[in-house]
Amino acid sequence: LAKTTQPISMDSYEGQEVNITCSHNNIATNDYITWYQQFPSQGPRFIIQGYKTKVTNEVASLFIPADRKSSTLSLPRVSLSDTAVYYCLVGDGNDYKLSFGAGTTVTVRA
Amino acid sequence: DSGVTQTPKHLITATGQRVTLRCSPRSGDLSVYWYQQSLDQGLQFLIQYYNGEERAKGNILERFSAQQFPDLHSELNLSSLELGDSALYFCASSVGQGATNEKLFFGSGTQLSVL
Repeated sequence: LAKTTQPISMDSYEGQEVNITCSHNNIATNDYITWYQQFPSQGPRFIIQGYKTKVTNEVASLFIPADRKSSTLSLPRVSLSDTAVYYCLVGDGNDYKLSFGAGTTVTVRA
Repeated sequence: DSGVTQTPKHLITATGQRVTLRCSPRSGDLSVYWYQQSLDQGLQFLIQYYNGEERAKGNILERFSAQQFPDLHSELNLSSLELGDSALYFCASSVGQGATNEKLFFGSGTQLSVL
């Protein structure tokens, strides 16, 4: 049973901001929200993680509303190299690694 | 470089054969996870080991088995291979048992082709 729902794909252009929203209605009190990025034929790479409100690092921002039932990954000023699959993960009982889901394929065009 | 090492990078074999994939976790990480990614599929969790003990199991086939050794490296054994087993197999590691705030570090994968 999937715990997260995110769009299958998104298209953007270089220099634009890309926002990917993930729904996780059944998130548990102690669950964190984590995003990974995967390029073709490579293993996923950690991007950002948060519990509530807003988290920002050098790569992205993560916005989490007060009810924590969704979260939005924001990629500022994307470039062609940001074309990848982005996965949203939340806790799944004792272990959130069980389900990466299909992810969101982001395609950045020139 | 994630610090997780997987060997071999590529493996070509025939149906019915058995292969072993190897993973060395990041220094200091106690958990090892195995994932399967078929063409156009998401990452499917197979199994997790923590400090030598099996901790969580996903939809791993009975033909597949894994273990984690005292030096914390892990091996995934795939037997009686079928065409449908062709996939990218990833290993990941984390420092603890798999709490929701732990980061996973992935290796570069082993591409298995069953002909």
